Amino acid sequence: SQQGEEDPQALSIQEGENATMNCSYKTSINNLQWYRQNSGRGLVHLILIRSNEREKHSGRLRVTLDTSKKSSSLLITASRAADTASYFCASSGNTGKLIFGQGTTLQVKP
Amino acid sequence: DSGVTQTPKHLITATGQRVTLRCSPRSGDLSVYWYQQSLDQGLQFLIQYYNGEERAKGNILERFSAQQFPDLHSELNLSSLELGDSALYFCASSVSNYEQYFGPGTRLTVT
Repeated sequence: SQQGEEDPQALSIQEGENATMNCSYKTSINNLQWYRQNSGRGLVHLILIRSNEREKHSGRLRVTLDTSKKSSSLLITASRAADTASYFCASSGNTGKLIFGQGTTLQVKP
Repeated sequence: DSGVTQTPKHLITATGQRVTLRCSPRSGDLSVYWYQQSLDQGLQFLIQYYNGEERAKGNILERFSAQQFPDLHSELNLSSLELGDSALYFCASSVSNYEQYFGPGTRLTVT
């Protein structure tokens, strides 16, 4: 399967703590993206990092990319209960199709 | 609201039947993607259309087909349905090969 892997599969933290999720992918990429999904609903795009970038920030989100290791990480700082969701990384090549990881389920306890 | 609409929201049908899922992309987006999300397979890319032409194909079964019309809306046709086809089907659109905007999905239940 081309699917990437995410780690951990599930994460439970207290509000205010930081959450880190890791992702590995298998093929060469143009960019890597992170999406959030709330309980069976549509996916929401969070952040995109291009293959020639190493780190990117957006609000409380920080993404890193290591193309030599084919891996990425997503850090959510100062988490909130509203951040409770599933988070997916998705690698994208020339055509734009997304190959998703298995996802990390994040629970933030108030 | 992503601007991508999908109909219907829910669909319950019997094995062997055929269904059509519909997607309207965001205004101005030429690319439409279809994905299937199931508990055992996760999120899988099915097929991509760009301005009416098939651009990329993924793990799409021969019983499934899709098309994109001149007004850019797209339909995914699923035939000879099996229990294992029960899943969430998402449509997404994008203006280029970058971030995609996902619709709310169609939940298909095959009984």
